[in-house]
Amino acid sequence: RKEVEQDPGPFNVPEGATVAFNCTYSNSASQSFFWYRQDCRKEPKLLMSVYSSGNEDGRFTAQLNRASQYISLLIRDSKLSDSATYLCVVNSLGGYQKVTFGTGTKLQVIP
Amino acid sequence: GAVVSQHPSRVICKSGTSVKIECRSLDFQATTMFWYRQFPKQSLMLMATSNEGSKATYEQGVEKDKFLINHASLTLSTLTVTSAHPEDSSFYICSAPGSSGEQFFGPGTRLTVL
Repeated sequence: RKEVEQDPGPFNVPEGATVAFNCTYSNSASQSFFWYRQDCRKEPKLLMSVYSSGNEDGRFTAQLNRASQYISLLIRDSKLSDSATYLCVVNSLGGYQKVTFGTGTKLQVIP
Repeated sequence: GAVVSQHPSRVICKSGTSVKIECRSLDFQATTMFWYRQFPKQSLMLMATSNEGSKATYEQGVEKDKFLINHASLTLSTLTVTSAHPEDSSFYICSAPGSSGEQFFGPGTRLTVL
């Protein structure tokens, strides 16, 4: 089983739709969680951190479920500019900081 | 957010040559930096963890003698692809962690080996 798993998609959704991605992780000692966005041929950019209490930033909501070991990202009112690959990132500490990326979920917002 | 730079942004070289890529944290110090490689339409793959003042830690399957990492200061890590071959052509990205564990990425270096 991979340490961090994501559905690769692609998710093709119409403008204005709500879309949700999940990401599961296997290491119960994982400590911090993030969602990144990567556009084609560019480096990943931090979208938002994920907190146990859940957090929201505009149209984006992130949730963490430690008991089931998954994080989620909800995008409301999808825009064409949301089209990208969304990566979940899990940090754990085991002697040194270990950063593990999911393979990414591709989102295509269609006019 | 913090800024990480990479140089060069793009390099084209002949097979058999060595290529050095620099990763700098511009406004913060980084005792640890990470190096990744991404092939077209594939996911980001962690290659190694660069540790200031000590040896790098390589992921399984990554040849340490081929991908030399030097982290000589708290703001600079270098990756040298030695004796590059066409199969080494890829997008190489570095990152440095922020205080909350988030990663700040460099803009990447696109390597093409002819």
